[in-house]
Amino acid sequence: AQSVAQPEDQVNVAEGNPLTVKCTYSVSGNPYLFWYVQYPNRGLQFLLKYITGDNLVKGSYGFEAEFNKSQTSFHLKKPSALVSDSALYFCAVRDETNAGKSTFGDGTTLTVKP
Amino acid sequence: DTAVSQTPKYLVTQMGNDKSIKCEQNLGHDTMYWYKQDSKKFLKIMFSYNNKELIINETVPNRFSPKSPDKAHLNLHINSLELGDSAVYFCASSQTLGQGNSPLHFGNGTRLTVT
Repeated sequence: AQSVAQPEDQVNVAEGNPLTVKCTYSVSGNPYLFWYVQYPNRGLQFLLKYITGDNLVKGSYGFEAEFNKSQTSFHLKKPSALVSDSALYFCAVRDETNAGKSTFGDGTTLTVKP
Repeated sequence: DTAVSQTPKYLVTQMGNDKSIKCEQNLGHDTMYWYKQDSKKFLKIMFSYNNKELIINETVPNRFSPKSPDKAHLNLHINSLELGDSAVYFCASSQTLGQGNSPLHFGNGTRLTVT
């Protein structure tokens, strides 16, 4: 069975500082990994994905994520945080051997303070 | 041009009632989903349909019945509503199953409150 863990409920950073939101995963086949962002009263929005290839993937709004197979991690990063990045972030793994089911982590609330 | 649209946005009803939530996507996707987000913001898959065929049915009470009249629509009917059904329900869609690199596209959710 696939699973995703986001070990931090909350991440606080100052505007302009780098941010990291952590994610580790477990899946039996090849990992298809995704990050989504949710703003208040909205649905989740896709940020970026790792399927294969370079371990560092770039996505929307200046976010990037680093895939580490040995540590089974897929941490979300941004070199310089903005106040507008404050939101709820979800890591997800999709398993094509399990009817394409996407399993989400519990979410991490990112707060960027001015 | 909303890609995945759900109606209604808010639904307040009493215990025991039956209600439906509708979802439509105009992205040409073959696969659609229902997710439930609880008060702690945890997100859990309920159902998935691929080309109108049910392919994922998680441990969901029989009171919940999805219906897909065509691949652009996936509705959710809930019978005999209970207090514990209060949550935000999200519809989502993605490209054809087997294309594992396809992200999910979510609607803006339906906030269901059962009193």
